[in-house]
Amino acid sequence: QKEVEQDPGPLSVPEGAIVSLNCTYSNSAFQYFMWYRQYSRKGPELLMYTYSSGNKEDGRFTAQVDKSSKYISLFIRDSQPSDSATYLCAMSDPGAQKLVFGQGTRLTINP
Amino acid sequence: NAGVMQNPRHLVRRRGQEARLRCSPMKGHSHVYWYRQLPEEGLKFMVYLQKENIIDESGMPKERFSAEFPKEGPSILRIQQVVRGDSAAYFCASSPDNYNEQFFGPGTRLTVL
Repeated sequence: QKEVEQDPGPLSVPEGAIVSLNCTYSNSAFQYFMWYRQYSRKGPELLMYTYSSGNKEDGRFTAQVDKSSKYISLFIRDSQPSDSATYLCAMSDPGAQKLVFGQGTRLTINP
Repeated sequence: NAGVMQNPRHLVRRRGQEARLRCSPMKGHSHVYWYRQLPEEGLKFMVYLQKENIIDESGMPKERFSAEFPKEGPSILRIQQVVRGDSAAYFCASSPDNYNEQFFGPGTRLTVL
């Protein structure tokens, strides 16, 4: 079993829709949770960074962490074609600085 | 305010040659991380370095791979005697301290012929 599970998709939605992306994990020591966006043949771009449980909002993006369920989510409101990319969840624990990534979900927003 | 710099962006090597990948962290960042991304897979941690020190190399293959982050200059990931299975995208990330978010460079795409 992988430490971090993420549905690779692909996920295709119409422009303007609300997108929900999710990851589950098995390591209860994870405390830091991140979402990255990666365009084709580019480096990952940090979108959201959260510590422990709770919600965080930044513009059209909302990140949620539910540590009791070992489940994190990223919501994208009013999705745009420019949001089409692969979205990677990542997490780490305080004892180790390395990030453990999900496989990534390929998202396409159709005009 | 330059981001993480990596060079070369593309590198082609024949089997048995050496590959050297360079990474310059963001200004003010003293922590460097290397990750590898194989086709259709997520990123896998390789090594974490601070200036002149390897902190965690638990993701590095035991042979042929080495990394350094000297007092002056960029971090170097070195792959000796490359094989076709080494073909991948190699990403470097940096952070200002070890509990902050990591910022990634554009990557080096290594192709082994």
